[in-house]
Amino acid sequence: EDQVTQSPEALRLQEGESSSLNCSYTVSGLRGLFWYRQDPGKGPEFLFTLYSAGEEKEKERLKATLTKKESFLHITAPKPEDSATYLCAVGLIQGAQKLVFGQGTRLTINP
Amino acid sequence: KAGVTQTPRYLIKTRGQQVTLSCSPISGHRSVSWYQQTPGQGLQFLFEYFSETQRNKGNFPGRFSGRQFSNSRSEMNVSTLELGDSALYLCASSLFTATRGTDTQYFGPGTRLTVL
Repeated sequence: EDQVTQSPEALRLQEGESSSLNCSYTVSGLRGLFWYRQDPGKGPEFLFTLYSAGEEKEKERLKATLTKKESFLHITAPKPEDSATYLCAVGLIQGAQKLVFGQGTRLTINP
Repeated sequence: KAGVTQTPRYLIKTRGQQVTLSCSPISGHRSVSWYQQTPGQGLQFLFEYFSETQRNKGNFPGRFSGRQFSNSRSEMNVSTLELGDSALYLCASSLFTATRGTDTQYFGPGTRLTVL
């Protein structure tokens, strides 16, 4: 069964304290891995798309990496406005536009 | 460029009623997908439409249906509402270039459905 697991479920950091969020996946065939940010009461906001193991993408304080079994979202020197739920999703070979989501990591950055 | 829009943003219905939600994709996007988000189950795929045809369907009962129009706008319908249908319903659109795999999907703000 295709499965996406995110850890930790929740993470509290002090402003400026760097950390990483993990997304591990067990799928029949990966056609893309996606990171989204979701604020309360809003739709997910796109962050990154990764297609191949070894691929890396960066945007401001965020950097996403991909291996054959997992992806990491690294947050460097976070600010309170980075507080949100971060969602990981995979696209599968079967059903190309269907995304399977992890449960998310709820990140809180304290000033 | 305008993002994905969904109407209405909030709905309150009672058990047994039916509801129709609307989604307008980003201009030029031809694929529209629908997802249900609940605290317990997270985000779950409902179905996807491309060129007015349903291409993929998730594991939901037949009470959940949808359609897509020639301008790529999409609607989803839930008949005979149950309490468990209370959720945030999200629509996402993508270009669907089919060149590298799954295309990036961009989400709308969602419709919050409450079933009493």
